Amino acid sequence: AQSVTQPDIHITVSEGASLELRCNYSYGATPYLFWYVQSPGQGLQLLLKYFSGDTLVQGIKGFEAEFKRSQSSFNLRKPSVHWSDAAEYFCAVGPGRNSGGSNYKLTFGKGTLLTVNP
Amino acid sequence: DAGVTQSPTHLIKTRGQQVTLRCSPKSGHDTVSWYQQALGQGPQFIFQYYEEEERQRGNFPDRFSGHQFPNYSSELNVNALLLGDSALYLCASSIRDRAVETQYFGPGTRLLVL
Repeated sequence: AQSVTQPDIHITVSEGASLELRCNYSYGATPYLFWYVQSPGQGLQLLLKYFSGDTLVQGIKGFEAEFKRSQSSFNLRKPSVHWSDAAEYFCAVGPGRNSGGSNYKLTFGKGTLLTVNP
Repeated sequence: DAGVTQSPTHLIKTRGQQVTLRCSPKSGHDTVSWYQQALGQGPQFIFQYYEEEERQRGNFPDRFSGHQFPNYSSELNVNALLLGDSALYLCASSIRDRAVETQYFGPGTRLLVL
């Protein structure tokens, strides 16, 4: 069964500081990995995704994430955080190429709430 | 290009009632998935519809049912509402014939059951 762990429930950083949000996944085959962001009372916006190839992927709003197969991780990073980045961030795993065509769901972590101090 | 839209935005019901939530997918998308997000939790997969049929179902009781129409829009129905059904219900759309389906989410419908 696929699962996602986001070890940090809440992270606080100062504006301008760097950010790293952790994500560990469990999946039997090569997974597809996603980061979504959710502002209060809103739906989910896709930040970036990893399917294959270069393990460092670039997303919107200056975010990037690195896939490390040996560590089953897909951590999200940003070199300099802006106050508008305050939101909840969700890592998700989806079925990869070896899923057999019967599994289509995304499995999400419980999220990391990011607070940005001025 | 319109994104995923959902209606209504908010809804208040009482226990035992039935509710219908609606979703229109992103233009060009043919697959719709529904998720339930309880307060403080990540979204949980309810089911996915493609070609007007339920393609996969998560761990939700039969009180949760759905439908997809020929124009790819979808409805989520919940019968015999329980207090625990209070949540944000998210619809996501994707394209079936891509090698990988990337799901794009709507703003959600917030359901409160009293």
